[in-house]
Amino acid sequence: SYVVTQPPSVSVAPGKTARITCGEDNIETRTVYWYQQKPGQAPVLVIYYDYERPSGIPERFSGSNSGNTATLTISGVEAGDEGDYFCQVWDPSSDPLFGGGTKLTVL
Amino acid sequence: QVHLKESGPGLVKPSETLSLTCTVSGAPITSSSYYWAWIRQSPQKGLECIGSIYFSGSTYSNPSLKSRVTMSIDTSKQQFSLKLASVTAADTAIYYCARQGGIAVSGTMGWFDPWGQGTLVTVSS
Repeated sequence: SYVVTQPPSVSVAPGKTARITCGEDNIETRTVYWYQQKPGQAPVLVIYYDYERPSGIPERFSGSNSGNTATLTISGVEAGDEGDYFCQVWDPSSDPLFGGGTKLTVL
Repeated sequence: QVHLKESGPGLVKPSETLSLTCTVSGAPITSSSYYWAWIRQSPQKGLECIGSIYFSGSTYSNPSLKSRVTMSIDTSKQQFSLKLASVTAADTAIYYCARQGGIAVSGTMGWFDPWGQGTLVTVSS
């Protein structure tokens, strides 16, 4: 079955750049969406169509998708960025699929 | 600003039917640009899309749950609903409703935003 793989955790110091990956063979042929989930809250869309930002999402959040890896990049990380991040694609059967999530820790 | 809120029992007995309703405010549920989705989250399975419904009544269901899922929509009340039959402990999860945008004609594709706050449903006797 189709699976997208995320690292369980990423740690970064404040002000640095965090990169969270979402991997699968030829994921570049899929459209990738990214969600942020803070503790006790519902997920929030932060990137759609691989790299587009919804209104209200800071420019510090950016996305890319190439080859076998899609990447969510958070520049100038702040303490408030801590949480879980999920990628989402539609698999070859046109069923929605979420990655297992990456916990971002700000050191 | 679009707002969604789930409602329904927090405890369901095994083999019974889970029933939830989502109330939408701030935008018409009859918009042609969106489907209305149900997604659940559990430590065991992570985030899992259950299915979605269009204002016309057209639905998409995840194949893994399709045989147990019934969805409906009441445009006059700005509400859509989920029924999941024959529940087991494996159906214990936080259930979210969400708006699905960027859709294809089939109801697939696109993103989920915004989401409701979620409601915990526990399956236990």
